Amino acid sequence: SSELTQDPSVSVALGQTVKITCQGDSLRNCYATWYQQKPGQAPVLVIYGEDNRPSGIPDRFSGSNSGDTASLTITGAQAEDEGDYYCVSRDTIDNQYVFGSGTKVTVL
Amino acid sequence: EVQLVQSGPELKKPGESLNISCQASGYKFNKYWIGWVRQLPGKGLEWMGVVYPGDSDTRYSPSFQGQVTISADRSTNTAYLQWSSLKASATAMYFCARHRRGVTTNRFDYYYMDVWGKGTTVIVSS
Repeated sequence: SSELTQDPSVSVALGQTVKITCQGDSLRNCYATWYQQKPGQAPVLVIYGEDNRPSGIPDRFSGSNSGDTASLTITGAQAEDEGDYYCVSRDTIDNQYVFGSGTKVTVL
Repeated sequence: EVQLVQSGPELKKPGESLNISCQASGYKFNKYWIGWVRQLPGKGLEWMGVVYPGDSDTRYSPSFQGQVTISADRSTNTAYLQWSSLKASATAMYFCARHRRGVTTNRFDYYYMDVWGKGTTVIVSS
């Protein structure tokens, strides 16, 4: 099955913009979905589809997909945006879901 | 309100069997795939597998095939994750999640887990 590669960590100054990327062959046929997870909590869906946000997710979160890379952008990062972010896709060849390795976001 | 309520924490010994549950409410249980995600201590998320309660069709990640059994009971709107003989390596947090599929305007598929349980902690130790 395919893999999704994410940078292990990224930091952003309060109020600035940060982009988290996710790379993998499965993304050529299937858009990524993004989750935020805080310590001791279940993951929370933040972006799905072309650039859809569930109810309650601030509009500072946005997503994009191009070729084998998906991106999650936080525009004007807030302290509460700290956490681990995971991308997910589904390999259309073997029908397996795959999680990215996760990116830890620190807001300075 | 759509929600998934998971069973409580478990402390088991190696070799014991275990069944953890995830009860759904607020939606038509039969119509959505529901699956399980593992998180080892301090590690990332791993997809384990899914079941479609409507016909019990089940799919597993190769990493978990043969190690666990995923099932669903339509009469109680409950999904299960079962081990017949636990190993210490099963110590982890387990999340259940409703799985969904969509198609973008430019005809790309996307798959997402929109509702999650709070997680069940499983500790396997002698």
